Amino acid sequence: NAGVTQTPKFQVLKTGQSMTLQCAQDMNHNSMYWYRQDPGMGLRLIYYSASEGTTDKGEVPNGYNVSRLNKREFSLRLESAAPSQTSVYFCASSDRGVRPQHFGDGTRLSIL
Amino acid sequence: AQTVTQSQPEMSVQEAETVTLSCTYDTSESDYYLFWYKQPPSRQMILVIRQEAYKQQNATENRFSVNFQKAAKSFSLKISDSQLGDAAMYFCAYRSFRDDKIIFGKGTRLHILP
Repeated sequence: NAGVTQTPKFQVLKTGQSMTLQCAQDMNHNSMYWYRQDPGMGLRLIYYSASEGTTDKGEVPNGYNVSRLNKREFSLRLESAAPSQTSVYFCASSDRGVRPQHFGDGTRLSIL
Repeated sequence: AQTVTQSQPEMSVQEAETVTLSCTYDTSESDYYLFWYKQPPSRQMILVIRQEAYKQQNATENRFSVNFQKAAKSFSLKISDSQLGDAAMYFCAYRSFRDDKIIFGKGTRLHILP
């Protein structure tokens, strides 16, 4: 069982470069999420998608865009990377209600 | 907008003792879900316990239990008989019933003293 797969696991970018973080889940979940985790800040929600074809802003959406390509895939794009976006990024998916989220292994992104 | 607050950045407890981690949240919704997750150094997120807001009975999972006070918007986690393997970051999370948004608190780092 793959669960939630994130690629890449590590990435170093220069300021101003763009890149897309990929996320795919094989559990047929409707909801998918992107978080960033910084020391002392917990997990902050960037964007989420409650169903295929819909996306909504979370707590810290500025500087990011997302695409819910289909039910399985939810990508996060940095159009012009900034050092403040250096973080560990987690993708998660879930069914609704009290069911738990399933998380990917995270992507460690450094922007120089 | 909903918020989740964990007021204890770090806590320590002696092995085999009991510890309580605090979580408060703010929401105007009446239906929602609450969770506690554990994150060990591996960065893996592990569900510890969950609670539906409409249920008055506090959830329990083995050594883990919650004290859910809906009126006070409080959702604390009690760990009994603490073990070395309980050392981790613990995150409280709120899930909206209305739009399925899930937000987390800043976490509490729990140290277990042998």
